[in-house]
Amino acid sequence: QSALTQPPSASGSPGQSVTISCSGTSSDVGGYNYVSWYQQHPGKAPRLMISEVTKRPSGVPNRFSGSKSGNTASLTVSGLQADDEADYYCSSYTGSDNYVFGTGTKVTVL
Amino acid sequence: QVQLVQSGAEVKKPGASVRLSCKASGFTFTRHFIHWVRQAPGQGLEWVGMINPSGTWTRYAQRFQGRVTMTRDTSTSTAYMDLNSLTSEDTAVYYCARDGEHFGDNEYWGQGTLVTVSS
Repeated sequence: QSALTQPPSASGSPGQSVTISCSGTSSDVGGYNYVSWYQQHPGKAPRLMISEVTKRPSGVPNRFSGSKSGNTASLTVSGLQADDEADYYCSSYTGSDNYVFGTGTKVTVL
Repeated sequence: QVQLVQSGAEVKKPGASVRLSCKASGFTFTRHFIHWVRQAPGQGLEWVGMINPSGTWTRYAQRFQGRVTMTRDTSTSTAYMDLNSLTSEDTAVYYCARDGEHFGDNEYWGQGTLVTVSS
């Protein structure tokens, strides 16, 4: 199972929005509504930001939103803040109780 | 509160095996999947596998099959991951994580255990 494809980097100024894509196939992203997104600051464990494509866990700001079209899922961060600067990873169910992560995107707040 | 506390850093020689532990507290251990995810230095996250709540079955990423074994001890609320035939490519931080409310998510994570494989 190959890693899902994400852009290596994305950036935006404070207050702006940034959208990160996560491209897969019909066997993973396109086949199931089981895409999650994680935020990871340097030296820290990942933090769950989005579940099942669009659902935000308790405590996650509503500035974070997820969507999916075909074989590509997206994470949008609105109203960028300095603390949003981190690495972001998507993850998808691939069937047969397996999962795969994306390649990761470094978000920079300019 | 939910906590996953992992064992300390390990240094192993190529060809050796390593056992990592993940002690859970703050929730009913027998009701949740435990996943293991690793991250090589400067690299992305990689799903290693998972074990079901009762410990009766496991699923491993294909590239680890035959080399990894995941178990759990319900009496001590501890999950374990054994990885054998280590090579330098296994040098990574290994995280355990607990599933959340929704399918396929990992809402709670351990602090990670660094495994270094070096001759």
